[in-house]
Order: sequence, then C-alpha cells, then structure tokens
Amino acid sequence: DIQMTQSPSSLSASVGDRVTITCRASQSIGSYLNWYQQKPGKAPKLLIYTASSLQSGVPPRFTGSGSGTDFSLTISSLQPEDFATYYCQQSFSTPLFGQGTRLEIK
Amino acid sequence: QVQLVESGGGVVQPGRSLRLSCAASGFTFSDYGMHWVRQAPGKGLEWVALIWYDGSNKYYADSVKGRFTISRDNSKNTLYLQMDSLRAEDTAVYYCARDLEPGSYVLGSDYWGQGTLVTVSS
Repeated sequence: DIQMTQSPSSLSASVGDRVTITCRASQSIGSYLNWYQQKPGKAPKLLIYTASSLQSGVPPRFTGSGSGTDFSLTISSLQPEDFATYYCQQSFSTPLFGQGTRLEIK
Repeated sequence: QVQLVESGGGVVQPGRSLRLSCAASGFTFSDYGMHWVRQAPGKGLEWVALIWYDGSNKYYADSVKGRFTISRDNSKNTLYLQMDSLRAEDTAVYYCARDLEPGSYVLGSDYWGQGTLVTVSS
C-alpha cells in the first residue's frame, strides 16, 4: 500500500511569508497528487489537483509542484485567510490523505 | 448551484448499523463519481469509499472493507453509505464529496457536503 508522509505537521508563519509544505509518497504516484485546505468546522476545499493544476477560484499565490514521490505546496505570500490545515491526497490508487499540516499565525 | 446535503448521522451502539444519505442537486448526479470521507474528532481526513458514476465499481478503505457499503440511486440523486458492525473508532464526521470532473476519479473532489456526525458509543 502507498503511504503518504506530509511535513511539517505544524508550521508557524506571519502574514506575507512564503511557506512550503511537502508530501512524500512511498512509491511513485506520477502526478496524481491533490492538495486541500480545511478550516475548523468546515469541509475541505480543493486547491490543487494533479500536482500543479490550480482549481478554479483559488488565488494564484497557491502553487503545487512535483511528480513521482516528492511534492510541495507553496503559498507565496500568506494572507490572514490562509491560516488553516492543509492535506495532500494521492489518487494514483485508492485515495489516501496525508496526515495534515496545521498552519498557524506566528 | 451544486449542493450536497448529508443526513442520517447520530448516536449508535457498537455493533449496530446506520445508513447515511447524501442528497445532491445542481448538477447531473449520474455523471459523477462520488466519495465518502470521514474525520474523527480532532484528527485528519480519512478517505472511506468511492463509487463510479453508474455504480458499476466501488472501492473501500481497508478500515471499513466488509463492514461499509457505498451505493447510489441516480433516479433520486442520492448517495448512501450503509455502515454495519460499527465500532467506536468509526466515530467521525462523514462527508460526501463529488469528483472534479465526470468520469475522472483522480482529480480530487471539488464539492463537499457539510458533514454529518456519527458517534458510536454504548
């Protein structure tokens, strides 16, 4: 079975910072990697699909990259509304989420 | 507009059954694959099950395989999750979610319901 390792598990940053979250698969998953944002008490929101495609309506400060086993989500300049938990999800086989990264205000 | 509304959650004793429903509107339900995803209190997301647009293929997480059954009624625009032999560790908010594009099961899910809470406790 494919395992997903997301890091860091938590991150403190300030408005305007550039942050990067990484996700590693235990075997190659091509580009079948999606990123979600979740705020407390809310359903997840799709940000990036197939590693680097920006979902409609998502600000361009969110970028995804990677292929094979190593992927990253970068937020170029943090905005107050970006403080949330982020999850990667592989869709190469039966879907599996990473453990999540909680992004907090410093 | 696209809407997904879950129902059927509640408190249930271990070993008992519960059926969740997800009523879809605002799109051609019969064109899209659908998922159930859950989230235990204070924990991360766990994918539970997927059903193809026509119900011909179903996939499950190992943690629920043999106990949960995903199904759909395209004439009623409704997705279901039959949960049998429930355990304490099945306690979670259960979300239904739609695939991003018709016939594609790898692009993630763009619309989600608000979730329904299932609590398994004696």
